[in-house]
Amino acid sequence: EAGVTQFPSHSVIEKGQTVTLRCDPISGHDNLYWYRRVMGKEIKFLLHFVKESKQDESGMPNNRFLAERTGGTYSTLKVQPAELEDSGVYFCASSRLAGEANEQFFGPGTRLTVL
Amino acid sequence: GENVEQHPSTLSVQEGDSAVIKCTYSDSASNYFPWYKQELGKGPQLIIDIRSNVGEKKDQRIAVTLNKTAKHFSLHITETQPEDSAVYFCAASPYSSASKIIFGSGTRLSIRP
Repeated sequence: EAGVTQFPSHSVIEKGQTVTLRCDPISGHDNLYWYRRVMGKEIKFLLHFVKESKQDESGMPNNRFLAERTGGTYSTLKVQPAELEDSGVYFCASSRLAGEANEQFFGPGTRLTVL
Repeated sequence: GENVEQHPSTLSVQEGDSAVIKCTYSDSASNYFPWYKQELGKGPQLIIDIRSNVGEKKDQRIAVTLNKTAKHFSLHITETQPEDSAVYFCAASPYSSASKIIFGSGTRLSIRP
């Protein structure tokens, strides 16, 4: 079974530019999550999809961040325009079951550097 | 909101010795406590988890304990090996259903040969 994949692995952009991160969850996983780790701090929750619907987006920092999951398969996270403080590692995770706490499988992350 | 504190931030132990990482959480509604190991260039991987109806769980050299009254939980690694070197994260999930995970700040564990 293929794991969670993320693209790109690294992205370096200038302040004010736009970046789109992609996540492909494990096939059949309805739950998809985005997290990020900034400056060696804790990994922070951004949002949670159940299929194509946003279940919880309480962690999204501001309206410069837009997440989509059209069709309930892969997801994209767009940052527009990027700011310096957006630098960090963005992780995607997926889990199979709804309605019970269960293992979230993480992707390798996308390291975003905003100059 | 929910907060998870983790100590120490770095830990160096001699190979073969034990390592202990401690965490506290703030939301008494939390009932799922996973531990993740992150190796260089990889995402966090679940190594063990414990639910609130259990006080202790063991899996080979790894054990976790949970004290719900004190809101403490800890990870114990015995007979440490070089491949145990990594960053470890404790976490708590505040709901019984599939939902976000609140992570601690991580512990960088180094095993000295």
